[in-house]
Amino acid sequence: GAVVSQHPSWVICKSGTSVKIECRSLDFQATTMFWYRQFPKQSLMLMATSNEGSKATYEQGVEKDKFLINHASLTLSTLTVTSAHPEDSSFYICSATGPTNTGELFFGEGSRLTVL
Amino acid sequence: QKEVEQNSGPLSVPEGAIASLNCTYSDRGSQSFFWYRQYSGKSPELIMFIYSNGDKEDGRFTAQLNKASQYVSLLIRDSQPSDSATYLCAVTPEGPMGYGSARQLTFGSGTQLTVLP
Repeated sequence: GAVVSQHPSWVICKSGTSVKIECRSLDFQATTMFWYRQFPKQSLMLMATSNEGSKATYEQGVEKDKFLINHASLTLSTLTVTSAHPEDSSFYICSATGPTNTGELFFGEGSRLTVL
Repeated sequence: QKEVEQNSGPLSVPEGAIASLNCTYSDRGSQSFFWYRQYSGKSPELIMFIYSNGDKEDGRFTAQLNKASQYVSLLIRDSQPSDSATYLCAVTPEGPMGYGSARQLTFGSGTQLTVLP
């Protein structure tokens, strides 16, 4: 099957620092990956669509300069939370469509960010 | 705005009962429909997908789709305490799916299910 791996699974950082989260498709090539954020007891909120070799497409209300997305290869997309603040503490999940036309999204394990 | 609506719950059923989860969507041209299960603190995992009107069964799970009513449901038979989780309904937009093409899924807010032992 299609496997998506995310790293780190959890991270704690000080306010004002930057944190990078990696998302890898392990057994398929993903030209497009999606980044979601989920606050406690809420549903998934799409942040941006990451396109290999081009700029990410951000959803309305998501700050491009704060959430930097780089999709430099067909198997790796990164999300960098710059100058993190406590309100950025959340569960960040990446996903990709697998190598078939089912439309199913395969999710990474998620990364829990806590900003102190 | 395209929407996917679910009752947030919580929905509680006794062990062994049938749990019924419902979802409605606003985009009449939606093509594909997915049910994901999400345990607390974990990322979603796919339970089933359905494309055609009618029922689709997989083990204890049955997905039901009615495109005319813009309604999709998930039935869980012989519910187990391990089924306790949040169930997310997701929908793809109108249009053909090319091979390997990526589509954003629109997610509902999820229904929290608790199966009581």
